[in-house]
Amino acid sequence: AQTVTQSQPEMSVQEAETVTLSCTYDTSENNYYLFWYKQPPSRQMILVIRQEAYKQQNATENRFSVNFQKAAKSFSLKISDSQLGDTAMYFCAFMKLSYGQNFVFGPGTRLSVLP
Amino acid sequence: DGGITQSPKYLFRKEGQNVTLSCEQNLNHDAMYWYRQDPGQGLRLIYYSQIVNDFQKGDIAEGYSVSREKKESFPLTVTSAQKNPTAFYLCATFSSFRGYTFGSGTRLTVV
Repeated sequence: AQTVTQSQPEMSVQEAETVTLSCTYDTSENNYYLFWYKQPPSRQMILVIRQEAYKQQNATENRFSVNFQKAAKSFSLKISDSQLGDTAMYFCAFMKLSYGQNFVFGPGTRLSVLP
Repeated sequence: DGGITQSPKYLFRKEGQNVTLSCEQNLNHDAMYWYRQDPGQGLRLIYYSQIVNDFQKGDIAEGYSVSREKKESFPLTVTSAQKNPTAFYLCATFSSFRGYTFGSGTRLTVV
């Protein structure tokens, strides 16, 4: 079974600074996807970024980028130029490509961006 | 715009009462999921359906039931057997490209 670990329950960062959220996972699968989701106070879950395991290049989406280390099973999220609107819970998620229930979420990291 | 509609946004249940949470999608996605989220916690899978007329139990299915009579709809019933139903419930669809797309959720409270 797959597991996803987020070792930082809470983090804070000053506005305009950079912050990195960590995520590690455990799997015997070779083909899979990894995701970061954001849940602001509205509770809406929003996809931030996704990474295919077969791609060596790290995914980026504007101010959001990942550091994907497949051998180490690590998938950290870097937020540059942090904004107040980035305040949210962030969930790391693993998705295997084989049939069946294939999504596993980490416990989340609560990020507060301070003015 | 394609999306997922969950209703109602807030729901109150009396002790011993069954209630049904609605989830409708127009994304044409085959797979649909129900998750429960308790305060300060992550998401736990209740039920999922990968095709019409078929569904599977997730990690915490006891006290819940679902149906999947149409591709667009995946309602969740919280039965009286669920002893602690107060939580936030999220419905999601799945595509291999986008991963999950979530609805806006239903907050269920026992009164």
